[in-house]
Amino acid sequence: AQRVTQPEKLLSVFKGAPVELKCNYSYSGSPELFWYVQYSRQRLQLLLRHISRESIKGFTADLNKGETSFHLKKPFAQEEDSAMYYCALNTGGFKTIFGAGTRLFVKA
Amino acid sequence: SAVISQKPSRDICQRGTSLTIQCQVDSQVTMMFWYRQQPGQSLTLIATANQGSEATYESGFVIDKFPISRPNLTFSTLTVSNMSPEDSSIYLCSGYRDSNEQFFGPGTRLTVL
Repeated sequence: AQRVTQPEKLLSVFKGAPVELKCNYSYSGSPELFWYVQYSRQRLQLLLRHISRESIKGFTADLNKGETSFHLKKPFAQEEDSAMYYCALNTGGFKTIFGAGTRLFVKA
Repeated sequence: SAVISQKPSRDICQRGTSLTIQCQVDSQVTMMFWYRQQPGQSLTLIATANQGSEATYESGFVIDKFPISRPNLTFSTLTVSNMSPEDSSIYLCSGYRDSNEQFFGPGTRLTVL
């Protein structure tokens, strides 16, 4: 079955600390994975996608097919990173499955 | 990326009534989708809104309950019919362009009493 798992509902870190938001997926095909972010009172927006291999706002994510993971990382968290983060899997035909989301709280 | 607007932004409705949510994109998009986000939960795909034909529904969602229209490439509506409190949720419209980037509307927060 196609599934996206984000094991942590809430992640709390101090400003300046490293942060890693975990994401595992289950998909028999060739996956296309994304991270979406929703800041307070804003709409859901794309943060990054694995095919771009880019760093956005200091965040990176590497697709590990062996571990079926796509964890989101940032070496030094900032207070403005506090938001809801969703890992998502494109299963073809533009249909996207979302994980349950992880709320990141960066403390001053 | 394109901009999506939704109307209404929120509504409080009585049990048994219906509500139609409008989704407008500022430019043509390839695909449009409707999602539901229940309190504290993730996004669940309701259906793909197909231009000029019947929507394609996901398992657990049916046309009688969630009729969808998409008369052109920039507009779609979702109706939540015969509402019950379990329909209280945020309903999100999304669109795709060829770039494979999905963008979202601000959502419609529905409360059913």
